[in-house]
Order: sequence, then structure tokens, then C-alpha cells
Amino acid sequence: EAGVAQSPRYKIIEKRQSVAFWCNPISGHATLYWYQQILGQGPKLLIQFQNNGVVDDSQLPKDRFSAERLKGVDSTLKIQPAKLEDSAVYLCASSFSAGNQPQHFGDGTRLSIL
Amino acid sequence: GQQLNQSPQSMFIQEGEDVSMNCTSSSIFNTWLWYKQEPGEGPVLLIALYKAGELTSNGRLTAQFGITRKDSFLNISASIPSDVGIYFCAGGGTSYGKLTFGQGTILTVHP
Repeated sequence: EAGVAQSPRYKIIEKRQSVAFWCNPISGHATLYWYQQILGQGPKLLIQFQNNGVVDDSQLPKDRFSAERLKGVDSTLKIQPAKLEDSAVYLCASSFSAGNQPQHFGDGTRLSIL
Repeated sequence: GQQLNQSPQSMFIQEGEDVSMNCTSSSIFNTWLWYKQEPGEGPVLLIALYKAGELTSNGRLTAQFGITRKDSFLNISASIPSDVGIYFCAGGGTSYGKLTFGQGTILTVHP
């Protein structure tokens, strides 16, 4: 089965610019997660979707970050405006359902802010 | 919030040696997972543990879910060069599947 697809793989922008990332989860997976991984750290959950509804966005900086999963499949994560501290790898993961289902990760988008 | 302490931070070993790493928390978790991440890639699931005391193997890898539900360990036997990477533990504490990750253990294997 195809894995979690993410694009782009790399993005370089200047601070205060906007950027968007795209994720296509494993087919049939209802739950989708966006994580931020800063260099040298483990991934940190930003937002979790169950189908097209938000389950947990408690760690999403809502003043600049937004995410949507309109049709319950693909998802986009947007940052507007970007700050230097947003430089990180943004990982998307999916699982068959919420709860104790293993999460499978994409290869991420590496974002550099100049 | 919940935090995981993963140790050691890094390990330098010779090919053929056994490796042990662990994760501890002040909070109880319902699941423990171990992932491996290589440069430029996302974490890959190695082992998932769902019950306190559970011991699970995947080839040369063995992991255990601590009885107190506050810790887990991962052992790698007879290491090989392709074991190189960063190993992360992750604890699942709620019914919604949210994972809390440790800081990672960097493993280097010398041929």
C-alpha cells in the first residue's frame, strides 16, 4: 500500500511570508495528524483530524497556523506569517482510526525561514 | 504537559554489540511505541505495545511496556551498520491517539 505522501519536500522562505504544506494520508485512514519536529527534538503534535473534524489543536499556534481537511482525505497546513522559530520539519501522519492505532508518517517537509 | 525522558541521548557501539535504551515518564501511558528515523525521512514504526508488562519482539528488536505504565525499553541484539539512526519512544495517553515523543537516542554503529 502507498504510504503517507507529503509535498513539497523542502521550502525556503523569508520571515513574514506565507507557506502551505500538503498531505495525502494512507488510503482508508480516517485520522490525520500534523507534527512539528525541530532539529534535535522529537515530533510535537500540532493538530489531529478525525475525518474532516478537528479532534485536538491545543498546541497549534492559531494566530499564525491553520489547517484544514475539507473532504476528510487530503489536508493542508498553512503558516502566515512565518517566524524564524518556525524552521522545522513538518510531518504528517495517519492512522486507521483514533485511539490505539499505530500512526504512520510521511517523510515531511523541511522548512527553512531566512 | 506530559513529558518523556529518553536515555541515553546517544550511543556509539561496535557492530555485533547489543543495545539498550529506555524511556521514562512521570505520567501513565496506555500505549508505548518505538520509532526509528533516518536522515531526511519520517519516523518508521518498529514496535507497538498495548498492555502493561507486554514484551514484544520484531526480529532483533525487543521492547517492553513497563508494569507501572510509566516506562518502556527497547533492546537491539547483534547490531549491524543499518541500525544507525535516531530511535524515538512515544507514549499514547488518551483515547484520541495523541502521542508524546521522547527526545530520541542517536545510535551510531561502527563496522
